[in-house]
Amino acid sequence: QVQLMESGGGVVQPGGSLRLSCAASGFIFSGYAMHWVRQAPGKGLEWVAVITSDERNKNYADSVKGRFTISRDNSKNTLYLQMDSLRAADTAVYYCARDFMGFDPWGQGTLVTVSS
Amino acid sequence: QSVLTQPPSVSGTPGQRVTISCSGSSSNIGSNSVYWYQQLPGTAPKLLIYRINQRPSGVPDRFSGSKSGTSASLAISGLRSEDEGDYYCAAWDDSLSAWVFGGGTKLTVL
Repeated sequence: QVQLMESGGGVVQPGGSLRLSCAASGFIFSGYAMHWVRQAPGKGLEWVAVITSDERNKNYADSVKGRFTISRDNSKNTLYLQMDSLRAADTAVYYCARDFMGFDPWGQGTLVTVSS
Repeated sequence: QSVLTQPPSVSGTPGQRVTISCSGSSSNIGSNSVYWYQQLPGTAPKLLIYRINQRPSGVPDRFSGSKSGTSASLAISGLRSEDEGDYYCAAWDDSLSAWVFGGGTKLTVL
């Protein structure tokens, strides 16, 4: 079945960096755009970034533009999110999601905590 | 503040029908499709409604979506205890060139 599994979360100091991964299975990964969406503790959903299937086009939320980079490796069926210059406000569960009739499905999420 | 506006909470008793509203603008709901996501406690969000009123396979027909102008609604009929959770609307925003979400609505089944 279609599955997405995030990894790479953890605790990082303000100003630090972290790279998240999202391993895809059960579908032709190279045929779909992919998204990252985050959810701060006790808060709502916030779209972060999208990348097209061929990696030619990327788009970011204003809140992360210039600090986060979305990428993918279609040979490894894996989506990435490189997060630099992290701030406390970036603390959240980060979900990857396939672009299919909206965001479907979602991974289980990985928690990123930015704290000194 | 979220770009799309939802009521923070709604409630109903088993078997009742409830609706959740989602208000936006001409740059998002007014010109694009609306999507609804269900997030049950402790789980990842799940697609509930796509393209305003379409249900993915496996979603019961108790869930329905509609749109009028710059607002959208999610209706849940025959309310069940397992429907308790958070519900989010979403749409693409042409002005922001970004996906935007509502702040979420917590559904309580009394």
